[in-house]
Amino acid sequence: QKEVEQNSGPLSVPEGAIASLNCTYSDRGSQSFFWYRQYSGKSPELIMSIYSNGDKEDGRFTAQLNKASQYVSLLIRDSQPSDSATYLCAVMWGLNTGTASKLTFGTGTRLQVTL
Amino acid sequence: DVKVTQSSRYLVKRTGEKVFLECVQDMDHENMFWYRQDPGLGLRLIYFSYDVKMKEKGDIPEGYSVSREKKERFSLILESASTNQTSMYLCASSEPRRWFEAFFGQGTRLTVV
Repeated sequence: QKEVEQNSGPLSVPEGAIASLNCTYSDRGSQSFFWYRQYSGKSPELIMSIYSNGDKEDGRFTAQLNKASQYVSLLIRDSQPSDSATYLCAVMWGLNTGTASKLTFGTGTRLQVTL
Repeated sequence: DVKVTQSSRYLVKRTGEKVFLECVQDMDHENMFWYRQDPGLGLRLIYFSYDVKMKEKGDIPEGYSVSREKKERFSLILESASTNQTSMYLCASSEPRRWFEAFFGQGTRLTVV
């Protein structure tokens, strides 16, 4: 069974620090990886996507992918209290055929940014 | 802004009832999804649809069915509700080229008693 694993947390970091969120997946055939953010009581929203090995930066967020080790991570620099949320890792298995495909979500890591 | 609207925020139903959860999106998206979210289990895909009258099973379709008669509307049906279907249900939609960017509705908290 294809799995996506995340530490549930909470991960507590002080304001201004770097938060590092990790995700491992079970299938080497995975092609595409996504990070969603979910505030308490709200619905998830897409914040990052990554498809190739290496780093992808978007503002204070950096997604890192290592397909050989089957992990993907999200770094949040200069963490702010407004970053406190649950971060969901999502993986697409197989090739994107251009139609909707299945995303498998991890259970999420709860991040707490403290003042 | 994309808007995905679910018909109810909270719903309480009895065991054995047939339950309909409705979802409407206003962005002309081809793709629509139904997920359930449970503590410790995360988001799990129940069904999705990439076109009117088309449907595909997700990871946990048992006990559910769906209907997509119009592009903007995707309904989730619990044929005979059971207590293990108590959950938060999330509908989402996306466009074909960015199918992975799912825009979620506000969720329906369903309790089956």
